Amino acid sequence: GQQVMQIPQYQHVQEGEDFTTYCNSSTTLSNIQWYKQRPGGHPVFLIQLVKSGEVKKQKRLTFQFGEAKKNSSLHITATQTTDVGTYFCAGPTSGTYKYIFGTGTRLKVLA
Amino acid sequence: DVKVTQSSRYLVKRTGEKVFLECVQDMDHENMFWYRQDPGLGLRLIYFSYDVKMKEKGDIPEGYSVSREKKERFSLILESASTNQTSMYLCATRQGAGLAEAFFGQGTRLTVV
Repeated sequence: GQQVMQIPQYQHVQEGEDFTTYCNSSTTLSNIQWYKQRPGGHPVFLIQLVKSGEVKKQKRLTFQFGEAKKNSSLHITATQTTDVGTYFCAGPTSGTYKYIFGTGTRLKVLA
Repeated sequence: DVKVTQSSRYLVKRTGEKVFLECVQDMDHENMFWYRQDPGLGLRLIYFSYDVKMKEKGDIPEGYSVSREKKERFSLILESASTNQTSMYLCATRQGAGLAEAFFGQGTRLTVV
């Protein structure tokens, strides 16, 4: 079945450093969504990408959807302690209502 | 405000017990999902439902069943709880199959002893 892997699994950065997580799907995605889960919380929607090669920005966060629509990335510039959490990519399986998540990247920011 | 409510935040059950996890949403969404979250494995889909009384297996349905008798309620059932089902369980809802985002409940931390 479809698998969505994220790398790295964990990342520790010093506050002010940049951070990137990569999401790779075994099949083509019609669209991709990103979520953030704060420690002790539940995943919360951040953004959605639909078009091949699409790039979107939210303040210090930059999201990219690959040309082949099988991968995506989230880049955070100049991390802050408020960025701590686990970041997930997610997407629907084409032709069904099935909705699957990536394995997640846990970010820790050291002050 | 969108609301997805899970019946318990923490639950401790004994091996072999039948366990019910309940999820209620107030958004009139057609699709509801149950995931389990384990360190390093992300969110794995157990079951989902796209309409009342309709259900489909996710990626890890073994040992679980579900019930959706009403649109707003989706129950996850562990017929005979085992220690390897100790996990965080998350319920989510989503409108349609296209571009909609998912909304999550607060999660149930289940410990099977």
